[in-house]
Amino acid sequence: DGGITQSPKYLFRKEGQNVTLSCEQNLNHDAMYWYRQDPGQGLRLIYYSQIVNDFQKGDIAEGYSVSREKKESFPLTVTSAQKNPTAFYLCASSIAGFSYEQYFGPGTRLTVT
Amino acid sequence: GNSVTQMEGPVTLSEEAFLTINCTYTATGYPSLFWYVQYPGEGLQLLLKATKADDKGSNKGFEATYRKETTSFHLEKGSVQVSDSAVYFCALSGSARQLTFGSGTQLTVLP
Repeated sequence: DGGITQSPKYLFRKEGQNVTLSCEQNLNHDAMYWYRQDPGQGLRLIYYSQIVNDFQKGDIAEGYSVSREKKESFPLTVTSAQKNPTAFYLCASSIAGFSYEQYFGPGTRLTVT
Repeated sequence: GNSVTQMEGPVTLSEEAFLTINCTYTATGYPSLFWYVQYPGEGLQLLLKATKADDKGSNKGFEATYRKETTSFHLEKGSVQVSDSAVYFCALSGSARQLTFGSGTQLTVLP
């Protein structure tokens, strides 16, 4: 079955540590996205990538970094510079183009204490 | 820039009641419009979409019509079920190649 996988589902880290969230897709989609969701709020775009080896900052990129070395993979690193990292993180992918819908993974809930 | 405004929640209905969740948007050009649904602890699932004015998207008994004259894309269902309890997000995809989301509307359906 085609889809998007995110791992792990729950992640706990101590303040000051960097942590990397995994996102893999086998849909052969060109574009991939990372969103952050806080309780009772909508989704905010962190980073997106339209093609391999290229990515752009979204609305809230500070304190995050990404890489896109393979079409299937778009890992997100939450660095110690991110002031409020505890959140639900969602990865999505789509066929490149502005009218195509995005498909979402199940999400990773990160808790930093 | 683009923006999406959804009706405030939470919305609580009895089973078999009629559902409307209002969504209006601001965008340049001709965006595509979407409704996504999120069940507790899960990612978002595409519920329906419309890509041009007067298009009607439909799925699982839900419908929404792309109204350019009122810049709206209201979600409706004639008879809700307990299993429809979730958070619903309206979104648009414009020329910037990104999705802009509304803040979400929590729906609870009581048996």
